[in-house]
Amino acid sequence: GENVGLHLPTLSVQEGDNSIINCAYSNSASDYFIWYKQESGKGPQFIIDIRSNMDKRQGQRVTVLLNKTVKHLSLQIAATQPGDSAVYFCAEKEVTGGGNKLTFGTGTQLKVEL
Amino acid sequence: DSGVTQTPKHLITATGQRVTLRCSPRSGDLSVYWYQQSLDQGLQFLIQYYNGEERAKGNILERFSAQQFPDLHSELNLSSLELGDSALYFCASSEGYSNQPQHFGDGTRLSIL
Repeated sequence: GENVGLHLPTLSVQEGDNSIINCAYSNSASDYFIWYKQESGKGPQFIIDIRSNMDKRQGQRVTVLLNKTVKHLSLQIAATQPGDSAVYFCAEKEVTGGGNKLTFGTGTQLKVEL
Repeated sequence: DSGVTQTPKHLITATGQRVTLRCSPRSGDLSVYWYQQSLDQGLQFLIQYYNGEERAKGNILERFSAQQFPDLHSELNLSSLELGDSALYFCASSEGYSNQPQHFGDGTRLSIL
């Protein structure tokens, strides 16, 4: 896959269990965060986002938690399925110049065991 | 399907050459972003355009340039290619440039021989 060269942390879970993927971000001024899923051969796919004025947001089978005090994000996936196997990235939006950019974490490889 | 289209999917060329990567954003999106994903650097921001104007620049090499055309499609030009430029190049688009998700295409895999 695209991230073979990086030493990606790996999370292995049994099918049906809940998964929790963690991420530390760097900029205390960041006000917007996104989780992406990247499958082999594809681009990052948007999962869920959260603004800094919230500490929790829920989607379909996914929940994002934001702890601004310790600059930590987590992604919880309920009832993990084989199709959830992928690399997961957190990203923080940073304002730069007259625009903005996303700064991505290293990523976590999620492996779902049958 | 994110709605962002990138061509070509694969590109193989030699050192010293020049290539152009193309991106069509999602319908209605005015912002286009380019990212590079390499084996040792992860996903790195290169440049952002909004409605034809450059808005933000990352660690983009001087050998690289981009533009966004009136129809909002964008091109990333890479010249004097080096072996280290081998990577996946992603384009993303968003409606504006504030707190909105960026939606990514499936990338162009560039291999320099």
